[in-house]
Amino acid sequence: AQSVSQHNHHVILSEAASLELGCNYSYGGTVNLFWYVQYPGQHLQLLLKYFSGDPLVKGIKGFEAEFIKSKFSFNLRKPSVQWSDTAEYFCAVTDTGFQKLVFGTGTRLLVSP
Amino acid sequence: DAGITQSPRHKVTETGTPVTLRCHQTENHRYMYWYRQDPGHGLRLIHYSYGVKDTDKGEVSDGYSVSRSKTEDFLLTLESATSSQTSVYFCAISESKGGGTGNTEAFFGQGTRLTVV
Repeated sequence: AQSVSQHNHHVILSEAASLELGCNYSYGGTVNLFWYVQYPGQHLQLLLKYFSGDPLVKGIKGFEAEFIKSKFSFNLRKPSVQWSDTAEYFCAVTDTGFQKLVFGTGTRLLVSP
Repeated sequence: DAGITQSPRHKVTETGTPVTLRCHQTENHRYMYWYRQDPGHGLRLIHYSYGVKDTDKGEVSDGYSVSRSKTEDFLLTLESATSSQTSVYFCAISESKGGGTGNTEAFFGQGTRLTVV
């Protein structure tokens, strides 16, 4: 079965620091990959997605992620975080032949001003 | 935002009572999902649907049942609520991209906060 691992459960950064959140998945076939963000008290919103093509994908609010197939990874990055990036971030994966969307346990990011 | 409405948004119920949560979409998407969100566990899939009357179990389906009699509505029922089912429940929808390439991204409802006392 598919599974998704997010190794950083809590991250604390100062504004302007760089961010990288790790995501690894277990499925060996062709996958679609996603990062979602959940601001306090809100529902999940899509940050970015990878279906195929260029493994470096850019999303909203300056976020990007790199798909490294050989490492089964899809890490999220942002060069300079802002206080408004304080939120919980979820990596998710689905394989192309099966419609279950599986989430990691999330990373709670706190950005101090 | 995608047209997804969850009702109720908040509910407190007693142990042993049945509870039904409703998810309604206006996007005509084929796939609908129910997740529960708990601290330290992320989002865990309860059940999902891939069409009218077509449903399947997720990873935490025990104690839950679902029904989908219309494309737009996906109901989640707790037959006899327990305190361990206190959680925030999210509905999501997605669509097939076609050609065996999987689904589009999922769009989420606002969530239902359920407390079982």
